Amino acid sequence: NAGVTQTPKFQVLKTGQSMTLQCAQDMNHEYMSWYRQDPGMGLRLIHYSVGAGITDQGEVPNGYNVSRSTTEDFPLRLLSAAPSQTSVYFCASSPHGRYGYTFGSGTRLTVV
Amino acid sequence: KNEVEQSPQNLTAQEGEFITINCSYSVGISALHWLQQHPGGGIVSLFMLSSGKKKHGRLIATINIQEKHSSLHITASHPRDSAVYICAGGGADGLTFGKGTHLIIQP
Repeated sequence: NAGVTQTPKFQVLKTGQSMTLQCAQDMNHEYMSWYRQDPGMGLRLIHYSVGAGITDQGEVPNGYNVSRSTTEDFPLRLLSAAPSQTSVYFCASSPHGRYGYTFGSGTRLTVV
Repeated sequence: KNEVEQSPQNLTAQEGEFITINCSYSVGISALHWLQQHPGGGIVSLFMLSSGKKKHGRLIATINIQEKHSSLHITASHPRDSAVYICAGGGADGLTFGKGTHLIIQP
């Protein structure tokens, strides 16, 4: 099993550019989520999904969009990147959101 | 809003010492997770607790639901245990994280 796969691992964007961070899991987990990790702030929830077709906002959703068209995939879209979105992004999945989580390896994003 | 407080923020110990990291959490959190993040950045789930105690090798995690407190213990610590240990509370809408404990075990 590959677990949770995130791509790309590194990305540099210019302010105003758009991009999609990809997240895929092959464990048939219902729950998927996106987090950002910033120095001194810890990890914070951006968006989450409890199943295909269902998404909801977390603690820091502004500037990010998500969709969940399949159980396997949960992409995170930055529509117009800003320097404040420079961070490390992690995707995670869980069978039901209240059980153990599997994390992707992270995407280090720099917005200049 | 769910809250998770973790202590200490930094901990340096000698190889072989018994390590304790503490975590307090707010009402609304139904399960407590302990995670490990190595310098390479990857995050690994160590334990998920909703009651009692769990043990895996030299790692032990306990939770006191009444006091809303959890501890992670490492017995016979080793330099390879050096990492950031993160406590996270699981609620209806996902995880709320503590800020992590940066643990260094010196040989």
